[in-house]
Amino acid sequence: AQTVTQSQPEMSVQEAETVTLSCTYDTSESDYYLFWYKQPPSRQMILVIRQEAYKQQNATENRFSVNFQKAAKSFSLKISDSQLGDAAMYFCAHRGYGGSQGNLIFGKGTKLSVKP
Amino acid sequence: NAGVMQNPRHLVRRRGQEARLRCSPMKGHSHVYWYRQLPEEGLKFMVYLQKENIIDESGMPKERFSAEFPKEGPSILRIQQVVRGDSAAYFCASSPTGTAYEQYFGPGTRLTVT
Repeated sequence: AQTVTQSQPEMSVQEAETVTLSCTYDTSESDYYLFWYKQPPSRQMILVIRQEAYKQQNATENRFSVNFQKAAKSFSLKISDSQLGDAAMYFCAHRGYGGSQGNLIFGKGTKLSVKP
Repeated sequence: NAGVMQNPRHLVRRRGQEARLRCSPMKGHSHVYWYRQLPEEGLKFMVYLQKENIIDESGMPKERFSAEFPKEGPSILRIQQVVRGDSAAYFCASSPTGTAYEQYFGPGTRLTVT
């Protein structure tokens, strides 16, 4: 069964600095998707970035980028130039590729604090 | 295009009562997923539905929980005879197809059982 592990329950970063959140996963599939979701205090789940496993190039979205290491089954999120609004819970998630494997499997999350 | 809508946003039930949570997917989306988030936890998959069909209910508790997604109207997650342990945030997500990579989440329903 697929599992997603986030080993950092809490992280802290100074405003304008860079922080990296870790995520490892376990799967027997060769094709799949990986995601990072942000959950602010409003509890709304917001997609931050996604990565298709067949793509070797790491995904980037503005200040957010990932380091995808397929062989190591590692998918870390880097936030550059951290802003106060980045403070939230961050969840790493895995999704299978097939039609019946639509559900997301989430890690337990990392709580990110941003210090002014 | 309105996003995924869930109602109510907050629901309080006494032990033994029934809870009905509603989810209206985004326009054009025919695939709905329900997730539960316990305090201090990540989201856990419960059930995946397509219009009039349950595709995967492997995450759904065997008793007291049921879900439907009728041809017309919202998807409903129903919890009968609620217990304190059912207190959680319940999220619905939708996607246009079963293989689309992105799921769009609703704001969630926070269920409190007293």
